[in-house]
Amino acid sequence: GAVVSQHPSRVICKSGTSVKIECRSLDFQATTMFWYRQFPKQSLMLMATSNEGSKATYEQGVEKDKFLINHASLTLSTLTVTSAHPEDSSFYICSAAGQGFYGYTFGSGTRLTVV
Amino acid sequence: GQQLNQSPQSMFIQEGEDVSMNCTSSSIFNTWLWYKQEPGEGPVLLIALYKAGELTSNGRLTAQFGITRKDSFLNISASIPSDVGIYFCAGYNNAGNMLTFGGGTRLMVKP
Repeated sequence: GAVVSQHPSRVICKSGTSVKIECRSLDFQATTMFWYRQFPKQSLMLMATSNEGSKATYEQGVEKDKFLINHASLTLSTLTVTSAHPEDSSFYICSAAGQGFYGYTFGSGTRLTVV
Repeated sequence: GQQLNQSPQSMFIQEGEDVSMNCTSSSIFNTWLWYKQEPGEGPVLLIALYKAGELTSNGRLTAQFGITRKDSFLNISASIPSDVGIYFCAGYNNAGNMLTFGGGTRLMVKP
């Protein structure tokens, strides 16, 4: 149980375009989802926390208008990188938590490359 | 966000050796977690610790939740090549409802 599916696993896009990443909890209802960014050889950096049906809470320094997060249902959250630039190239990972505490299951990550 | 102090940052060991890594924090956590991340993948939960002093094993892995609730260690016994990866500790606090991650320990195993 507690499976989180993240798509796409890797995407290459042109500078100036937008990219959407999906995170789905397959066998539980995710009341809270988290989006992380990870640079090479570094730890996970929390970008934002989203609760179903409400606006996401962004960490300091993360641009809300650039990284749009939607958590419209208990099984789906999306991260849209708008007007992507090469510096947005990174590994993005979501995680989900249900009622109580289930150890925060992570998605398999999305490698974004902006050219 | 805030990070835990995880050490060592990297280890290069011979197959069959035991490995030990730890995390310390200035803050108290209600839960300690240990994850393993392989290249191009998300972290996978290895062990979760819910009680101060708790010692839990998962195969060749053993982890303990420190009595002060400010530290935890992970041991891997008789390492094998597939143990290669980055190991992260994470602390969870009910009040914040979020995980705080250590900087990671990169483990390399020489056959």
